Amino acid sequence: QKEVEQDPGPLSVPEGAIVSLNCTYSNSAFQYFMWYRQYSRKGPELLMYTYSSGNKEDGRFTAQVDKSSKYISLFIRDSQPSDSATYLCAMTNTGFQKLVFGTGTRLLVSP
Amino acid sequence: SAVISQKPSRDICQRGTSLTIQCQVDSQVTMMFWYRQQPGQSLTLIATANQGSEATYESGFVIDKFPISRPNLTFSTLTVSNMSPEDSSIYLCSVGAGGGLNEQFFGPGTRLTVL
Repeated sequence: QKEVEQDPGPLSVPEGAIVSLNCTYSNSAFQYFMWYRQYSRKGPELLMYTYSSGNKEDGRFTAQVDKSSKYISLFIRDSQPSDSATYLCAMTNTGFQKLVFGTGTRLLVSP
Repeated sequence: SAVISQKPSRDICQRGTSLTIQCQVDSQVTMMFWYRQQPGQSLTLIATANQGSEATYESGFVIDKFPISRPNLTFSTLTVSNMSPEDSSIYLCSVGAGGGLNEQFFGPGTRLTVL
């Protein structure tokens, strides 16, 4: 079993839709959770960074962490074609910077 | 966030040769990391490179195959040695945010194809 599971997609939605991207994990020691966006032929770009459980909002993006269920989510409101990319979740232990990544979910937003 | 550049951006190499990838950061950083991203797979950490010390390699990666240099706080190199087609991948460097934070920022990557 992988430490971090993420549905590879692709997930296809129309412009304006609310998108939900998710990851599950098995290591209860993970405390820091990140979402990266990666456009084709580019490096991953950090979108959201959260610590422990709870929600964090930044513009159209909301990250949720449920440590009791070992489940994290990224919501994108009013999705745009420019949001079409691969979204990677990543997580790490307290005070340790080795990131463990999911495989990424490819998102396609059609105009 | 730091601005990170990598050279080359892509290369096609012959089996048995070696390629050195450069990573340059626009500010001084303590921790630099090298990852491999194979098609359909997660980013996998190869090694952590701290200035002034030997790189720390993850399970499955060895120094003879992936030697790393870290001569100063803004630069690092990763060499892929004695390449085989299985080494075809995207290689990415990243830097830690520092200050006790766990964010990492990535370079654009080097796309390597081995024939």
